[in-house]
Amino acid sequence: DGGITQSPKYLFRKEGQNVTLSCEQNLNHDAMYWYRQDPGQGLRLIYYSQIVNDFQKGDIAEGYSVSREKKESFPLTVTSAQKNPTAFYLCASSMAASGIDTQYFGPGTRLTVL
Amino acid sequence: KQEVTQIPAALSVPEGENLVLNCSFTDSAIYNLQWFRQDPGKGLTSLLLIQSSQREQTSGRLNASLDKSSGRSTLYIAASQPGDSATYLCAVMSSGSRLTFGEGTQLTVNP
Repeated sequence: DGGITQSPKYLFRKEGQNVTLSCEQNLNHDAMYWYRQDPGQGLRLIYYSQIVNDFQKGDIAEGYSVSREKKESFPLTVTSAQKNPTAFYLCASSMAASGIDTQYFGPGTRLTVL
Repeated sequence: KQEVTQIPAALSVPEGENLVLNCSFTDSAIYNLQWFRQDPGKGLTSLLLIQSSQREQTSGRLNASLDKSSGRSTLYIAASQPGDSATYLCAVMSSGSRLTFGEGTQLTVNP
């Protein structure tokens, strides 16, 4: 089956820890995105990548880092510098590098800080 | 900076009703507008994408319209069913290949 997978589904982090969220797609899409969703709110863009080995900051990139070493993978690291990381994290991809087409979303990872 | 607003924030209707969800955006220089559905604790599912040159798109019982000049879009759901209960999100694609999302409308269709 083609699609986007995210792991883990639930993640718990202690204060001061870095954690990495996985996002993999087998749709052969060029562009990939990371969003954060807080309760009752829309999605906010963290980082996006249009091609391998290149990525751009979104609206709320502080405290996060990404890499795009392979076309199919776009992991997100939530660092200890992110002061309020508890949220629902969604990864998406789109076919064209321009991103001007439908974005397909993964099932999400819920991160909770203990 | 693009801003997207959705009204109402929540809507509860009896099964069988036709309903309209509203979306407005501040900058009319958009490439497209998309409507998504989100079930609790799940990812987003794309429902309809309207290019900036289009006026509407239809899929089954769903019809989305776009008035770019006035910065408005509506999602019309015909003959609503309990399975339509979800949060509906509107998003616009502006310059920089970024989607800007509204906060969503939480729809409940009662049997």
